[in-house]
Amino acid sequence: NAGVTQTPKFRVLKTGQSMTLLCAQDMNHEYMYWYRQDPGMGLRLIHYSVGEGTTAKGEVPDGYNVSRLKKQNFLLGLESAAPSQTSVYFCASSQRSPSNQPQHFGDGTRLSIL
Amino acid sequence: GQNIDQPTEMTATEGAIVQINCTYQTSGFNGLFWYQQHAGEAPTFLSYNVLDGLEEKGRFSSFLSRSKGYSYLLLKELQMKDSASYLCVLRDTGFQKLVFGTGTRLLVSP
Repeated sequence: NAGVTQTPKFRVLKTGQSMTLLCAQDMNHEYMYWYRQDPGMGLRLIHYSVGEGTTAKGEVPDGYNVSRLKKQNFLLGLESAAPSQTSVYFCASSQRSPSNQPQHFGDGTRLSIL
Repeated sequence: GQNIDQPTEMTATEGAIVQINCTYQTSGFNGLFWYQQHAGEAPTFLSYNVLDGLEEKGRFSSFLSRSKGYSYLLLKELQMKDSASYLCVLRDTGFQKLVFGTGTRLLVSP
């Protein structure tokens, strides 16, 4: 019963390096999301997807790109990492309906940019 | 826009009752969630309110007053494992976009 799985769990990058965070869900959810969580702030939405092949910008999309080529996977890319992107990244998924369906979160990826 | 306000930290004793308040301002309301997040872990769903009133789930209850922009989470018979952050979360209209409060860190002592 995996739910939402994120890889990797930890990563340290140097400024300017690129990387991709992988999110996989096995609940057949339509919607998927990427958030970042920083000290003293609530989770903030980076990008989201309402279905395979579709993506949209959230609250803080700059410096990130995403792709949803398969329904179960949602990838978050950092093209040129910056220290300001040091954060904990959470992926989540949810059903399209009914409206009271909660989002289910992965365990997070702790990313440090030096 | 939306704004959520909840206390930063609260302390309570094992076996006691604690109420965590949340006030919010929003241009479009489509439900309010409470999530629990233990340190270093993922948020997990606790409750959902979309209509005024009280929703009870075991030791946890959540209340909503839409006219007052107010919700609370009530935790009864506190246990040490209840030490965690509790996130008040608004659901935006039209889509399942969520707006997260900064969370209330609850410390339960013996």
